Amino acid sequence: GDSVTQMEGPVTLSEEAFLTINCTYTATGYPSLFWYVQYPGEGLQLLLKATKADDKGSNKGFEATYRKETTSFHLEKGSVQVSDSAVYFCAFKPGGSYIPTFGRGTSLIVHP
Amino acid sequence: EAGVTQFPSHSVIEKGQTVTLRCDPISGHDNLYWYRRVMGKEIKFLLHFVKESKQDESGMPNNRFLAERTGGTYSTLKVQPAELEDSGVYFCASSPGAGGSYEQYFGPGTRLTVT
Repeated sequence: GDSVTQMEGPVTLSEEAFLTINCTYTATGYPSLFWYVQYPGEGLQLLLKATKADDKGSNKGFEATYRKETTSFHLEKGSVQVSDSAVYFCAFKPGGSYIPTFGRGTSLIVHP
Repeated sequence: EAGVTQFPSHSVIEKGQTVTLRCDPISGHDNLYWYRRVMGKEIKFLLHFVKESKQDESGMPNNRFLAERTGGTYSTLKVQPAELEDSGVYFCASSPGAGGSYEQYFGPGTRLTVT
């Protein structure tokens, strides 16, 4: 069935380090892909999205590229900050659906 | 504009007790969704309201869960009687527009612990 697999955490980095959080999906058709972020004490927020193959979503220095050939949507940031510490969820919506399918979430901890 | 709010933020109850979670969507949002994240696992869809009507309740785990949205404003999710496996974080989300195709705005969640 449809599913999202993302790397397990926690991911612990020093400030200014490079971040990659891997995400792959299994879905039929042409889904839209998303990254959500949950900061401590807050709700999930949409971080970025991509709706078709080779699209690159970007926001707040984060980027992810929709790779249909590898069914992946890896999240990257060149230089993380302490304020990026949060839980990151990869998700997709199959075409015609409004309900996202989420991964398990990856906790990111950034130390000064 | 106020975001989606949920109450309580944390609830600890004993197995067999009843708990009611509340969600206040963003004002004017017709669509309201409930999700659940069991510890360390995926966030799973529970159900979707359009105004006061249940549009899709395919994710509700069993009949111990009852969701209502009287008047099409806030919603409640009651668990009766609670079991240990019901522990997790319950998220609510809302979106405007018809058909649920707009971006969903999530609340901070209610952490439910059943002991």
